[in-house]
Formats: sequence, structure tokens, C-alpha cells
Amino acid sequence: AQSVTQLGSHVSVSEGALVLLRCNYSSSVPPYLFWYVQYPNQGLQLLLKYTTGATLVKGINGFEAEFKKSETSFHLTKPSAHMSDAAEYFCAVSEGGYNKLIFGAGTRLAVHP
Amino acid sequence: EAGVTQFPSHSVIEKGQTVTLRCDPISGHDNLYWYRRVMGKEIKFLLHFVKESKQDESGMPNNRFLAERTGGTYSTLKVQPAELEDSGVYFCASSHTKSGEQYFGPGTRLTVT
Repeated sequence: AQSVTQLGSHVSVSEGALVLLRCNYSSSVPPYLFWYVQYPNQGLQLLLKYTTGATLVKGINGFEAEFKKSETSFHLTKPSAHMSDAAEYFCAVSEGGYNKLIFGAGTRLAVHP
Repeated sequence: EAGVTQFPSHSVIEKGQTVTLRCDPISGHDNLYWYRRVMGKEIKFLLHFVKESKQDESGMPNNRFLAERTGGTYSTLKVQPAELEDSGVYFCASSHTKSGEQYFGPGTRLTVT
């Protein structure tokens, strides 16, 4: 069965510091992988996705993630955090192409001055 | 282009009452998904419509939940009778068959007292 593990329910960084949000997945077939972000009082917004091809994918707002099959990981990074990045981030996987999403528990990112 | 909309944004009902949540997908999106996030837990899949047909309802928790999608347009999710454990945020998402990416609505926060 598919599953997603996000390490760390809360992550706190200083403004300008590296953001690293960890995601590991399990899937019996090649997965499609996603990162979504939820800002306060808003819905989920797609940050980036991996389907096939290049394993380093770039998304909106300077975020990127790398698909590492050998490590079953899809960690999200941003070189320099901004105050506006404070939100909750969700990693998700779908099997067999675009299909229902299986989500991790979410990581709440706090950015302090 | 209008995004996915959900109504109401908040609902507070008593145990045993009935509540109906509505989702209007993005125009032209054949796929419609319902998800739920119980407080502190991960977002979980409930069901998937393709046009007016239920493609996958494996995530529906029990027969107190009834989902419909009239004419392949908007969808409703009825909970009858509501129980305390039904409290949470209910998200709707839609996608176009070709592009596949799911676009989420802002969610309906349901509180059962």
C-alpha cells in the first residue's frame, strides 16, 4: 500500500536560511509525487510535481524537490526562506499516474526574523 | 477562470443532525475528488467521480456518508446522521482528464458538537 511520511510536524527556520522539508514514500509502482502548500485560511496550492523525466523539479516561489528512487524520497528545499513561506506543506503520492492522492501528515513551517 | 468553490466554509451542527456540503469544480473538469482532514491527522481520500459516475469510493468511512454529482457538474456530500468523529475539514478537488493535476477548494470546516 502507498504511504507518505513527512519527518517533522513542525520546522522552524530563520529568514534567509535554507528550508528543507523531508518526505519519504512507499509505492509498488513508479509514483507521481507532489508538494502542496496551504496558507492560513486558504485551500491547498500545488507547489511542484514529479511525474517522469528529470528528477529535479522546480516549482513556484523558489521551491524545488528532487526525486530519489533509491532513497524513496522527495524532499522539498528552498535556498533562502522568506517570511511569506510560513505555511503548512503537504507531500503526496499517487500511483498509476494521476489518481487519488495519498498525503503525508503535513509539516508546518515557521519563519522567524 | 474561477477555481474550485465549496459551500459552506464553516458548519457547526449537533450530533445526529444532517449536513450537506457542496463543491463546484472548475468548469470542464471531469474528475472530482473529496478528501477529509480530521484535526491533527493527514488528509485522507474519500471518493472520486468521473463525470457523474463514482470511480472510486474506497475511502468513504461508512454508510452515513452519501456523495452525489448531478449531471457531472457540482457535487454534494451529505452526512446523515452526523457523529462527533465526523468533525474536520472537507476538501474538494477537481482535475481535467488530460492534465491530471488536482486543484483544491478552500475546504469546509465541519464541527459536530
